[in-house]
Amino acid sequence: KNEVEQSPQNLTAQEGEFITINCSYSVGISALHWLQQHPGGGIVSLFMLSSGKKKHGRLIATINIQEKHSSLHITASHPRDSAVYICAPSDSNYQLIWGAGTKLIIKP
Amino acid sequence: DTEVTQTPKHLVMGMTNKKSLKCEQHMGHRAMYWYKQKAKKPPELMFVYSYEKLSINESVPSRFSPECPNSSLLNLHLHALQPEDSALYLCASSLTGGSYEQYFGPGTRLTVT
Repeated sequence: KNEVEQSPQNLTAQEGEFITINCSYSVGISALHWLQQHPGGGIVSLFMLSSGKKKHGRLIATINIQEKHSSLHITASHPRDSAVYICAPSDSNYQLIWGAGTKLIIKP
Repeated sequence: DTEVTQTPKHLVMGMTNKKSLKCEQHMGHRAMYWYKQKAKKPPELMFVYSYEKLSINESVPSRFSPECPNSSLLNLHLHALQPEDSALYLCASSLTGGSYEQYFGPGTRLTVT
């Protein structure tokens, strides 16, 4: 069993839809990161959180430490949100444990 | 300046060549990382430097040789690579080696022929 499970693996939605990507993990963590990778390679850190909820623009990330679960939400999705979204908890050595990623396509 | 720069963007090299990848940041970060990413896979950690000292080497073959000449600069020296080493090589930095947000460079797309 993978230490980090993301769902869905692929998601196609229409512009304007509310998007949810889920992440479950089985290891003890110090924090959890959500990252975005566009085609061509660049990775951008979206959030780092260890409890509760964070919001940045149209993006919201939540984490439930007891249930070992985190979600990334995108409100009013736009084609430019199309990317791979990666959940990566950091372990006790502070190394990132990378999920397989969710490929999101937003159609105009 | 919140940017991590990497050069070159693309590199094609033969199996007998010696080349180097360069990474630079001016955010005052004291931890720097090299990752290798194959297509449709998440990045794999290769090396971590903390305060210019190598703190993590994830059993990477010796044909990859990292170097951290100062707190802003990270190099990856390549020698006698194999075609399976073709990948996207990503550099990242964070404030320290603890649980801090990592800032990534755009990567170097390496092809070994």
